Amino acid sequence: DAGVIQSPRHEVTEMGQEVTLRCKPISGHNSLFWYRQTMMRGLELLIYFNNNVPIDDSGMPEDRFSAKMPNASFSTLKIQPSEPRDSAVYFCASSSDYNYGYTFGSGTRLTVV
Amino acid sequence: GENVEQHPSTLSVQEGDSAVIKCTYSDSASNYFPWYKQELGKGPQLIIDIRSNVGEKKDQRIAVTLNKTAKHFSLHITETQPEDSAVYFCAASRGSGTYKYIFGTGTRLKVLA
Repeated sequence: DAGVIQSPRHEVTEMGQEVTLRCKPISGHNSLFWYRQTMMRGLELLIYFNNNVPIDDSGMPEDRFSAKMPNASFSTLKIQPSEPRDSAVYFCASSSDYNYGYTFGSGTRLTVV
Repeated sequence: GENVEQHPSTLSVQEGDSAVIKCTYSDSASNYFPWYKQELGKGPQLIIDIRSNVGEKKDQRIAVTLNKTAKHFSLHITETQPEDSAVYFCAASRGSGTYKYIFGTGTRLKVLA
């Protein structure tokens, strides 16, 4: 099992550019979570999906952020346009009804300059 | 709203000593409490968890205790080793697999050799 796979590992972009982060959950897991980690705010839940359907997106900061899960094996988090305050580590995690605890990916470190 | 407080934010112990990290949650409906360890440059990894129908759980040098009445739960690490140095996060949730977790702000543990 390759675990939760996120890409890219690092992303540096200029303010105003579109950024797309990608996540492949563990096969068989039916829930997927996007978290953002910063020193100031810790781990914040942005959005989560269950069986590919968004369940709670109340943590999405603003309309510049959007997330999709077109199928059970792929999800994207898009920021358009990006701003310097979006700089953070973005984690994807997946889980299933039958296991305890999330499995996190290695994260994408986003820097917006 | 839902909130998890975690203390201390930093903790230094001598190798071989014990370390205790404490969390308090606000949502009375929480019934699942996982603990995650995050090493530098990696995603959080589940190390132990406890459900609300038990008061204590142990796994080798790690133990968790839960006081549901007081809404407190704690992580205990005995005989600490340098490789225990990391950031530890507690979380509270209304379920295990497919529910959202509310994370604490993290504790940076440093084990001094």
